[in-house]
Amino acid sequence: AQSVTQPDIHITVSEGASLELRCNYSYGATPYLFWYVQSPGQGLQLLLKYFSGDTLVQGIKGFEAEFKRSQSSFNLRKPSVHWSDAAEYFCAVGDPGVTGGGNKLTFGTGTQLKVEL
Amino acid sequence: EAGVAQSPRYKIIEKRQSVAFWCNPISGHATLYWYQQILGQGPKLLIQFQNNGVVDDSQLPKDRFSAERLKGVDSTLKIQPAKLEDSAVYLCASSFGGEQFFGPGTRLTVL
Repeated sequence: AQSVTQPDIHITVSEGASLELRCNYSYGATPYLFWYVQSPGQGLQLLLKYFSGDTLVQGIKGFEAEFKRSQSSFNLRKPSVHWSDAAEYFCAVGDPGVTGGGNKLTFGTGTQLKVEL
Repeated sequence: EAGVAQSPRYKIIEKRQSVAFWCNPISGHATLYWYQQILGQGPKLLIQFQNNGVVDDSQLPKDRFSAERLKGVDSTLKIQPAKLEDSAVYLCASSFGGEQFFGPGTRLTVL
């Protein structure tokens, strides 16, 4: 069964500093990988996704992530954090073995990001 | 393009009562999902529909939870009777091209 580990429950960074959120996964083949962001009272918004190809993926809001097969990791990075980035971030693994374009997502437990001004 | 709509946004009930949530997916999205997100955890898939058929309901507590998507468009999730541990946010999502789009969720509090 697929699983996702986000080892950092809380992270605090200063505005303008760089950010890296860790994500490790367990999956029997090449997975679909996703990062979502959730602000208080809001649904999940997709930041970026990896299906195949270039292992460095660019997303919205200046975020990027790198797929490293040898480390089973898909860490999220941002070179300069803004106060508005404070939110909870979820890494997810997708199982593409579902017909019709759907896939079953397994989420990590999330990392709460706090940004100090 | 309208996003995934959910109602109500908030619901407070007593334990052993019944509750229902409604979801309208993005137009044209054949696949619909219901997730349960308990405070401090990531979302957990409860049920997945492809059009009006169930693809996966392996994590749905079928003794108290039910869901339907009769016409392959909108969907309802019901809990009967509710327990304290059902307090959570219930998220609906629909997908196209492997990407899932989430609604704002319904926050359920069971007292």
